[in-house]
Amino acid sequence: QVQLVQSGAEVKKPGASVKVSCKASGYSFTTYYMHWVRQAPGQGLEWMGIINPSGGSTSYAQKFQGRVTMTRDTSTSTVYMELSSLRSEDTAVYYCARLVRDILTGEIGDYWGQGTLVTVSS
Amino acid sequence: DIVMTQSPDSLAMSLGERATINCKSSQSVLYSSNNKNYLAWYQQKPGQPPKLLIYWASTRESGVPDRFSGSGSGTDFTLTISSLQAEDVAVYYCQQYYSTPLYSFGQGTKLEIK
Repeated sequence: QVQLVQSGAEVKKPGASVKVSCKASGYSFTTYYMHWVRQAPGQGLEWMGIINPSGGSTSYAQKFQGRVTMTRDTSTSTVYMELSSLRSEDTAVYYCARLVRDILTGEIGDYWGQGTLVTVSS
Repeated sequence: DIVMTQSPDSLAMSLGERATINCKSSQSVLYSSNNKNYLAWYQQKPGQPPKLLIYWASTRESGVPDRFSGSGSGTDFTLTISSLQAEDVAVYYCQQYYSTPLYSFGQGTKLEIK
């Protein structure tokens, strides 16, 4: 079965960086893009970006351009999201998610990681 | 980026009533070559990741009760819950995937029981 298992909670100081991992299992890792979505406490969902695990290409939401880096390690079927220059407003739960909307094959479906709480506090 | 705007921000309805949530996109999410609207609806309950309810604007995901329906085209969309049940209390989000690989979500609508 498809599983996305994320790394544990982090506490960081303002100005620091955080790197969250998401280990995929139960499917062919390089076949499906991986998204990152975050949710601040009591707030809505915010789409951050996407990585193609096959070639490593990425696309980021304009808001996070220059501050976020998504990478992958095909040997361990793991994707990473690194956010730099952290500020208090970055306190949120960060999710990796495999969101499939394939018009050609008709395959549709979502799988989400359990979420990683990142707290930014001095 | 395509901006998704939902209305209302919150909604309180009685059990058994019809609930309607609206979503407007800043540009059309209708792909003319296949006549599909690249729009999904999610339900999120506290402490859980979002759950996909509807995709292609009106197709229910497997296992989703038929009291949930989606409609609309182009830039204006609606999620309707025909007869509100207690377990439907949640926050609902629309999501566009027209600008793939760039996605975006609406700000969410909180649905409560009156």
